[in-house]
Amino acid sequence: GAVVSQHPSRVICKSGTSVKIECRSLDFQATTMFWYRQFPKQSLMLMATSNEGSKATYEQGVEKDKFLINHASLTLSTLTVTSAHPEDSSFYICSARDPSKGGITEAFFGQGTRLTVV
Amino acid sequence: QKEVEQNSGPLSVPEGAIASLNCTYSDRVSQSFFWYRQYSGKSPELIMSIYSNGDKEDGRFTAQLNKASQYVSLLIRDSQPSDSATYLCAVSGTYKYIFGTGTRLKVLA
Repeated sequence: GAVVSQHPSRVICKSGTSVKIECRSLDFQATTMFWYRQFPKQSLMLMATSNEGSKATYEQGVEKDKFLINHASLTLSTLTVTSAHPEDSSFYICSARDPSKGGITEAFFGQGTRLTVV
Repeated sequence: QKEVEQNSGPLSVPEGAIASLNCTYSDRVSQSFFWYRQYSGKSPELIMSIYSNGDKEDGRFTAQLNKASQYVSLLIRDSQPSDSATYLCAVSGTYKYIFGTGTRLKVLA
C-alpha cells in the first residue's frame, strides 16, 4: 500500500529556534499533502493544505508566517515551525492521498513528529 | 454544532464482546467516511472506509453508514485488548478530511 514517511519522529528545540519537518510520499506522487497538529487527548486539527508548486492553503487561525510550508516536488512537503515557543509543542502529522486512484480515497499518514520546545 | 461528533468515552467492553462506536456529521454533501485507529503517541491508521449506505464488513470490523441520518458507526466483534485505542471518525466531502475528536476504547481482559 501507499506509504507516507515523516521525519524526524521526535525533536526537542530551544525556544526561538526553527524546526523543519519533512513528509515524503514513497510510492506515489502527492500533488496535495495535509498538515495536522494534535494536542494531548484532542483530535487532529488541519493546519494547512500543501499544494505542489504553489502556495499552501492555511486554515483559519493558523499563522502562515510561523508555519512555513514548502511543497517543491511531487513527493516532498516540508513544514517549518519558525521561532518556536513552548506552546507550539505538539504532535505534528502529515498525510497524503494517492491521486492516481481517483475519487475521495483514504489518506495515508506519516508517523508523526513529536515537537517539544523548551 | 461540530462538523463531526463522537462520544469521547472511554468506552469499556469486556474481551470477546462487541464494541460499538458511533459518529454523526453535519455536512449532508459528505461523500466518504473513514474509521482510523490511533494508539497513544502514534499516527492514525486506516481501519475501514465506506462510501455508500449500508454495511461493509472486513474481518472483525463492520462499518455502517446511514446518509439520511448522517450517521456512521463501527462495530468491532470479538474485541481484544489490542483493540484498546482511540478511534477517529473522518468525513470527507470534495477535498478535506474532517476528523471527530475520537472515542477511546478500552477492552478489558
